[in-house]
Amino acid sequence: SQTIHQWPATLVQPVGSPLSLECTVEGTSNPNLYWYRQAAGRGLQLLFYSVGIGQISSEVPQNLSASRPQDRQFILSSKKLLLSDSGFYLCAYRAGTDPGNTIYFGEGSWLTVV
Amino acid sequence: QQPVQSPQAVILREGEDAVINCSSSKALYSVHWYRQKHGEAPVFLMILLKGGEQKGHEKISASFNEKKQQSSLYLTASQLSYSGTYFCGTELRGSTLGRLYFGRGTQLTVWP
Repeated sequence: SQTIHQWPATLVQPVGSPLSLECTVEGTSNPNLYWYRQAAGRGLQLLFYSVGIGQISSEVPQNLSASRPQDRQFILSSKKLLLSDSGFYLCAYRAGTDPGNTIYFGEGSWLTVV
Repeated sequence: QQPVQSPQAVILREGEDAVINCSSSKALYSVHWYRQKHGEAPVFLMILLKGGEQKGHEKISASFNEKKQQSSLYLTASQLSYSGTYFCGTELRGSTLGRLYFGRGTQLTVWP
C-alpha cells in the first residue's frame, strides 16, 4: 500500500533561522510531489510541484525552496525564515502522471515563526 | 488559477441539505473535492473528470459542468461528522496539467 510521511509535525523557529521539512512516499515509484501551505483560516496554496528527481516548479515567488534528491523524497527549505512563513505545510503525492489519479496529503507540519 | 468557492460558510441542523459550488475562470480537466477537519490533513472525497459527470459517496455527491467550468458538491441529510472545511481543487487544461489549485474553502458546521 502507498503511504506518505511528513516531519517534523510541529516546530517553532525564530525569525532568520533556517528551515527543513521532509516528506517521503512509500509504495509507488516516480510520484508527482507537491508542497502546499495553509495560512490560518485560508485556503491551500500550491508552493512547489515536482514530476521527477531534480525537476521542481515554483508557483509563487517567496522565501522558500524545494528539492527532490531522491525519487520519493521531497524537501522544503528556507535559509532565513520570515514571520509570514508561519502556517500549516502539507506535502502531497499523486501516484503516476495520470491526471485522473487521486492526490493524497501527508499529515502536515505546523510551523510557527517567532 | 485559484477556483472560487461559495458560500464561504454554511450552518446546518442534522438532516438538512447543503450545496457547495466551485467555479473556475479557466478550462478544467478535473475537479477534486476534499474535506478537512481542524488541524488535520485534507481527506479525499471524490474526483470528477468528464463534463457532466456525477459521482456519489454515501450521502455526498458531486457534479461537474465542463462547459460552465463549474462543479457542485451536494451533502444530503447531513450528519455531525460532515462538519469541517470543504475544498475544491481544480486541475486546468494546458501547460499546468498535473497541478492542483484549491479554492479558499467552505466551512460547514452541523449542529444536533
